[in-house]
Amino acid sequence: DTGVSQDPRHKITKRGQNVTFRCDPISEHNRLYWYRQTLGQGPEFLTYFQNEAQLEKSRLLSDRFSAERPKGSFSTLEIQRTEQGDSAMYLCASSLSRGDLNSNTEAFFGQGTRLTVV
Amino acid sequence: DAKTTQPTSMDCAEGRAANLPCNHSTISGNEYVYWYRQIHSQGPQYIIHGLKNNETNEMASLIITEDRKSSTLILPHATLRDTAVYYCIVRPYSSASKIIFGSGTRLSIRP
Repeated sequence: DTGVSQDPRHKITKRGQNVTFRCDPISEHNRLYWYRQTLGQGPEFLTYFQNEAQLEKSRLLSDRFSAERPKGSFSTLEIQRTEQGDSAMYLCASSLSRGDLNSNTEAFFGQGTRLTVV
Repeated sequence: DAKTTQPTSMDCAEGRAANLPCNHSTISGNEYVYWYRQIHSQGPQYIIHGLKNNETNEMASLIITEDRKSSTLILPHATLRDTAVYYCIVRPYSSASKIIFGSGTRLSIRP
């Protein structure tokens, strides 16, 4: 198991372009989270999935942002019509959550995708 | 909003114990204290968590006051690799609940 994998690690895009990031969680982890982090700040929650269902979205997730997890495994985060304010590190995390609390795990984070909008 | 208060920054000499305080005066009965850290350019890493008893693992010790309104993370023998931002978080014990990060404490280890 190689942990949570995110791709790409870095992305530079021109304002107005669309970008898509991918997150591969730890296998068998049913929960997947997306966070955004700007310089000097802690990570900010964006959204999370239980299997393929998107259960919560932050108000930070504007209508230009969309996240999917179609088969309950990997997830994608798309930003349409990027703006300079979208420049940030986008972090993905996964965890296992079942009825038996003893089998639950902590959230494991990936290395993130650093987006720069120019 | 984060429910914890931490100093913005701290420093510690290499080899000494690093003691990172956290105030969580509004913690509720079903909430645990969690600590994560984030080394530069990496994702956050889980360190330890506890409810009311002190906890210790291979990375650190967690001391929680009897009234549970504050806690201290202890790195017993700090190394340069412990330089990171440390986040104190309170949340219900369930990996289902999202983690709400504050600004954390930037810990610098001096050689």
